Order: sequence, then structure tokens, then C-alpha cells
Amino acid sequence: EAQVTQNPRYLITVTGKKLTVTCSQNMNHEYMSWYRQDPGLGLRQIYYSMNVEVTDKGDVPEGYKVSRKEKRNFPLILESPSPNQTSLYFCASSAPGTAAREQYFGPGTRLTVT
Amino acid sequence: AQRVTQPEKLLSVFKGAPVELKCNYSYSGSPELFWYVQYSRQRLQLLLRHISRESIKGFTADLNKGETSFHLKKPFAQEEDSAMYYCAPRFGNEKLTFGTGTRLTIIP
Repeated sequence: EAQVTQNPRYLITVTGKKLTVTCSQNMNHEYMSWYRQDPGLGLRQIYYSMNVEVTDKGDVPEGYKVSRKEKRNFPLILESPSPNQTSLYFCASSAPGTAAREQYFGPGTRLTVT
Repeated sequence: AQRVTQPEKLLSVFKGAPVELKCNYSYSGSPELFWYVQYSRQRLQLLLRHISRESIKGFTADLNKGETSFHLKKPFAQEEDSAMYYCAPRFGNEKLTFGTGTRLTIIP
């Protein structure tokens, strides 16, 4: 089954404790992206990757890091989480090159930083 | 600057009544336009794309270049339409831009 998976689905942590949220897709998609969803603010892009070893900042990259060492994986790293990073995070992937490019989303990771 | 606006955060409509979720954008070129939907406890998914001129679950969306709008419409609302809807244009590159979303509630 074609899908995007994220782990963990729920995470409660404390300020300053490094964490990683994993994202994996099995559709051989080149494009992957991370978003955060906050009430009243909608979906905002954190980072995206056009291909392996190619990453770029989205709209709200501060406090986050990413890496793209393999095509299928795109982990999101919070080196020193803070309470304002409490949010619902979504990973997405899509295939490039056609006008009808659909983004496939993961199930979301709900992060709480205390 | 390129931007997308969904002016209604919340919209409540009676079952059977028409639905219109508004989306406006500012962009001098021709964007690709999409509507995404998130049902309760489900992941975000593509609802429709303007280039296909399709009707999905009774919803349609017409690109109005003069008004720079891409409103989502359905003539008769159903209870299962209750969800969060995001307008998402792509302004000339790979990056989708999501609006702030409209939470649609269908009143039985």
C-alpha cells in the first residue's frame, strides 16, 4: 500500500530535550516536506526536499533541522525543543514533473513540549 | 507578494443547503490550484485540482482569474462533508502554499 508513515504519532517531551520525528514514504517520491498545523494559522511549511541531499527552508524553519540521506526518509529534528513548538506535524511527499502533482500526507505527529 | 486567503475560519451550513468555501489568491501568473480536505481523525488528502475540472463528492471549484479566486462549491451539503478544507495554490514552483483553512460544519 502506497503511504507516508510518521513516528511517533504522539510525543510529550520537555524543553531542551532533543527529539527526532521520522517520516518515510514507499512511493519513490522525490519531493518531501514537513508542515506544522496550528489553530487559526493553518498549515505552514517548515522544510522541504526536492531530492536526496537537497533540502530548503520553508516558511517557519527556525528551531528545526532536516536531513535527506535516502529518498524514502525525511526526518525532522528538534535540537532543543521549546513550548512554542507544541503543534501537530505532518510529513508529505509528492512526485514531480506533472501538473497534477498530489501531495500525500502522513497521519500526523502530535508534539507537546512542556 | 504571493499569498492565499481563506476569509472564513468557520462555516456552518444546514444539510441540503448550498455550500461555498471561499479562496482568494494574489499572484500575477497562473497558479496551479488545489483543494485539500481533512476529515475528523483522518489525514489530509487531496480533494480536487483545478486543472482536472473534476467534480469530487459533489464539489466543484472554478478558477476565476479576473477575481483571482478558486471557491469550492457544492449545491447540496451532506453531513459527511463536515471537515477542514484548505485551499492550496502552487505559485510557479514545487512548493504548495496552504491557506489557513475553513472548518465546515453541516447542521443536520
